[in-house]
Amino acid sequence: DTAVSQTPKYLVTQMGNDKSIKCEQNLGHDTMYWYKQDSKKFLKIMFSYNNKELIINETVPNRFSPKSPDKAHLNLHINSLELGDSAVYFCASSQVGGQGVYGYTFGSGTRLTVV
Amino acid sequence: GQSLEQPSEVTAVEGAIVQINCTYQTSGFYGLSWYQQHDGGAPTFLSYNALDGLEETGRFSSFLSRSDSYGYLLLQELQMKDSASYFCAVRDMGFKTIFGAGTRLFVKA
Repeated sequence: DTAVSQTPKYLVTQMGNDKSIKCEQNLGHDTMYWYKQDSKKFLKIMFSYNNKELIINETVPNRFSPKSPDKAHLNLHINSLELGDSAVYFCASSQVGGQGVYGYTFGSGTRLTVV
Repeated sequence: GQSLEQPSEVTAVEGAIVQINCTYQTSGFYGLSWYQQHDGGAPTFLSYNALDGLEETGRFSSFLSRSDSYGYLLLQELQMKDSASYFCAVRDMGFKTIFGAGTRLFVKA
């Protein structure tokens, strides 16, 4: 199946732990993103990579570190997890660094719960 | 600052037509998009307008007026499965796409 796939789908962890979310796309897109969706469903951009180069780095705590080993993969590592990090994290990809007529393709999301 | 404004909720009956408005204020503008998200699901792309006017895709249409910084999504022949959240999104300068807070559409039988 052609898609954006991210793992895990659910993540429950204790405060202070370190966790990673992985994302892969097989659509041949050159740009990937991490978005955070809070409990009020507000989608906020966190990071974006274009061909492995970081092009967007929003005001995000430096506990969050993205890594893109190649243009098909974008992972998110979170250190010292806090209660406020609980949210759904979406990976997305697009072609030519923007939305264009084809838009973003989102992964199914990772629901992170910090207890 | 950058902002997109859309109604928080809209309710309509099956078979009706509903319009979801979006006004935006962003630094630069490279097009207005619309996404649909069902509860527990991922946002899915519906439409994109870069130029003024109406774009039609099946039961869904999207309109843009750049001079008014305004657009809308029009859903016709509403079905129960259209109950979802709808987000407008604008790509500003620097590859950043900003999403509105979403409009929750309730379709009643």
